[in-house]
Parts: sequence; structure tokens; C-alpha cells
Amino acid sequence: SQTIHQWPATLVQPVGSPLSLECTVEGTSNPNLYWYRQAAGRGLQLLFYSVGIGQISSEVPQNLSASRPQDRQFILSSKKLLLSDSGFYLCAWSPQPNQPQHFGDGTRLSIL
Amino acid sequence: AQTVTQSQPEMSVQEAETVTLSCTYDTSESDYYLFWYKQPPSRQMILVIRQEAYKQQNATENRFSVNFQKAAKSFSLKISDSQLGDAAMYFCAYNSGGSNYKLTFGKGTLLTVNP
Repeated sequence: SQTIHQWPATLVQPVGSPLSLECTVEGTSNPNLYWYRQAAGRGLQLLFYSVGIGQISSEVPQNLSASRPQDRQFILSSKKLLLSDSGFYLCAWSPQPNQPQHFGDGTRLSIL
Repeated sequence: AQTVTQSQPEMSVQEAETVTLSCTYDTSESDYYLFWYKQPPSRQMILVIRQEAYKQQNATENRFSVNFQKAAKSFSLKISDSQLGDAAMYFCAYNSGGSNYKLTFGKGTLLTVNP
């Protein structure tokens, strides 16, 4: 069966520091991959999605970037974190665009 | 742009009772997909149920069922025989289908289950 791993679970970073969140999927090939952010008390906002290695689409212009160096690896990065980057970040995958998305356990990011 | 509205920020239900969570959406598409996700305190997003717009039959998964009213653009979730483990934030989500990857979420309804 397919599983998705996301780490770290919790991260506290100072303003201006870099960021790297990693997500990997097991048990499937060529998944569609997604990064979401969930602000407190709100729904999920799609940040990036990827349909293949090196193919990244950005939904929201921001301080973050994403990369997909391997088929089942999706990385969310920032060179300099802002206070507004705080939130709960979720990685997800789906076999096809309109198929259900399956989520990782999330990363709680706090910026000090 | 598609929007998803959940008009009930919070709901509560007694254990073993039935509760219905509301969701409406706005779209000009004729073929699309709707989902309900559950987010317990652990914050993991868990798929509850999925409905294809071209199917007239309402989706059902054990104690969870939907009332899909395409003309009214309504997609409510009914939870029967509520259990303590059903307590969570519930999100309604929309996908326009085809090659569209975007899942648009509502703001969620926090469900409390009282023993």
C-alpha cells in the first residue's frame, strides 16, 4: 500500500533563516504531489503541485519555492523565512488530478 | 473562480445521534468532484467520502453519507450513529476535474461529539 512521509513534525525557526521541508511517497510511481498551508482556523491553501520530476506549478506567489528532485520526493524551501510563513504545512499525493488526495501528517512551523 | 462555503463554523451532536454538516459551492462546470475530509486534533487530513458530479446516486461510506443536490450546488455530509472518534474539523472540498489539480477547500466545520 502507499504511504506518505513528511518531516519534521514540528519546526521553530528565526525570521530570516532558511527552510527545508521534505515529503516522500512510497508504494506508487509518478504520483501527483502537492504542498498546502493551513493558517490557524482556516482551510487549506494550495501552494505548489507537481506532475513529474522537475515540474513545479505555483499557485500563490510568495516567499516559498518547491522542488521535485526525484519521482517520489517533494521539497518545500525558503531562503529567508518571514513571520507570515508560520503555519501548518501539509504534503499530499494523488494518482490522478481528480482522484482523492492523501495527506501526510503535516509540519507545524513557527517563526520567531 | 470556484468557491466552497461551509456556513456552520461549529456543530455539536450527542453520541449515537445523527448530524448533518452543510456545504455549498459555486462553479460553472458541469463535471467535477466533491470531497469531505476530516481533520482530528492530530491534524492529519483523512478522506471521508467522494462524490462525482455526473453520478446522481449519493455516495455512502458506512456511517457517512452525502446529500448531493447538483442544481442547488449543495453537498451536505450526514454522520449517523455519531461516535466520540468523529469529533474533528470537517472540510468540504471541490475539484473541477479533467486535468485540473487544484482542490478548493471550505473553511471547515468543527464537530463536537458529546457523550
